[in-house]
Parts: sequence; structure tokens; C-alpha cells
Amino acid sequence: SQKIEQNSEALNIQEGKTATLTCNYTNYSPAYLQWYRQDPGRGPVFLLLIRENEKEKRKERLKVTFDTTLKQSLFHITASQPADSATYLCALDRSSASKIIFGSGTRLSIRP
Amino acid sequence: NAGVTQTPKFQVLKTGQSMTLQCAQDMNHEYMSWYRQDPGMGLRLIHYSVGAGITDQGEVPNGYNVSRSTTEDFPLRLLSAAPSQTSVYFCASSYDGLTNEKLFFGSGTQLSVL
Repeated sequence: SQKIEQNSEALNIQEGKTATLTCNYTNYSPAYLQWYRQDPGRGPVFLLLIRENEKEKRKERLKVTFDTTLKQSLFHITASQPADSATYLCALDRSSASKIIFGSGTRLSIRP
Repeated sequence: NAGVTQTPKFQVLKTGQSMTLQCAQDMNHEYMSWYRQDPGMGLRLIHYSVGAGITDQGEVPNGYNVSRSTTEDFPLRLLSAAPSQTSVYFCASSYDGLTNEKLFFGSGTQLSVL
């Protein structure tokens, strides 16, 4: 069956370090992959999108990679700050772009 | 520009009751969708619409109905609420239902069914 897995439920990082979150998928080939941030009690907010023909995408302190051979995306936050603490979700299109499915998320905590 | 607006924010129902969760967007987006979010299970797609008059089922459509009479509104109806429908519900929209890049989410409705 088709599945999206985010590597861990929770990740604790010291402020200033690089946080790396993993998204693995099986049994399908998405045209693109998206990353969202979700704060408690709020809806997800779009961060970055990377297409299947792109290896890497950057936005300020954020970097996303997409390896279609490994079926994996890595999401990096460099120089992490306590304000980066949130749950991060990866999402892919499945069978058609009208059906975007999400991983269960990784809860990131940045300690001062 | 309010984005995606969901009402109510909280709702408690008894088993068997019906209700409608409202969703409206003011960005002229063609695509709208409903997700439910449960602990450890991520966001699961309930129903979606690629334009007014067009709706289709997602992963978990049973027990829910939708309609799309206007571009702006996409209500979700629970016909006969069950405890298994206790969840947080999110409405989302995007500009283009074919590419579906960059979803905009509402702030959610927390529903409890007793």
C-alpha cells in the first residue's frame, strides 16, 4: 500500500544547530513534495515545494532535498531558533494532484 | 483578505445528531478540500472539489457529505454523528486543482461526538 513516513514523532535540538527531518514514501511516484509547518491549535502553513526533477530547494534558513531513487525528502533548518519549534508535515500528490496526502508529522523542539 | 475561514471553532455533538461545518475562502481558489486530523495519523483527505458543481471522495469519505454550489463555499455535512468522527477538521484551498501546489488551510474545527 502507499505510505508516507516521517522519521520520528519528536526531535529535540539545541538552538543554533541544524535540524534535519526525514520524509520517506513507498509505492508511488509523486510529481512534487511539499513541506508545511503546524503550530498547536492552528492549521498547517505552506513552507516549500520541490519537484521530482529538482534535487534541492532553499528558502532563507530552510533547505529541502528530494531523492526519487531513495524515495526520500530531507528538510533542514539551519541555525535553528526556539521559534522554529512546531510540527512539520510532508505532503505528496497521490495518483492525481487533486489528492494530496500528508505524513503524520515530526514535532520539533528547539531548546535555548 | 481573510483567506480560509472555518466555523465553528469548537462543537460538541451527541451520537446521531447532524451538523454542517462551514468553510469559505475569498481567494477565488478553484480547489477546496476537507481533512481530518487525528493523533498519530496525520491529515486524512475526506472530500475535495476542483470547482463549483464538482466534488469527489478522498480517503475517508464515509459518514460525510459535501456540495460546492459556489466557488467560495465548501460545507461539510455530518449526517449522523458517531464517536469515531471526533477529530479536528481542516478545510484547505488552492488556486489550481490540477497542480494543487500550496494549500491554504483554515484554523480548524474541533469536534467531539459523545
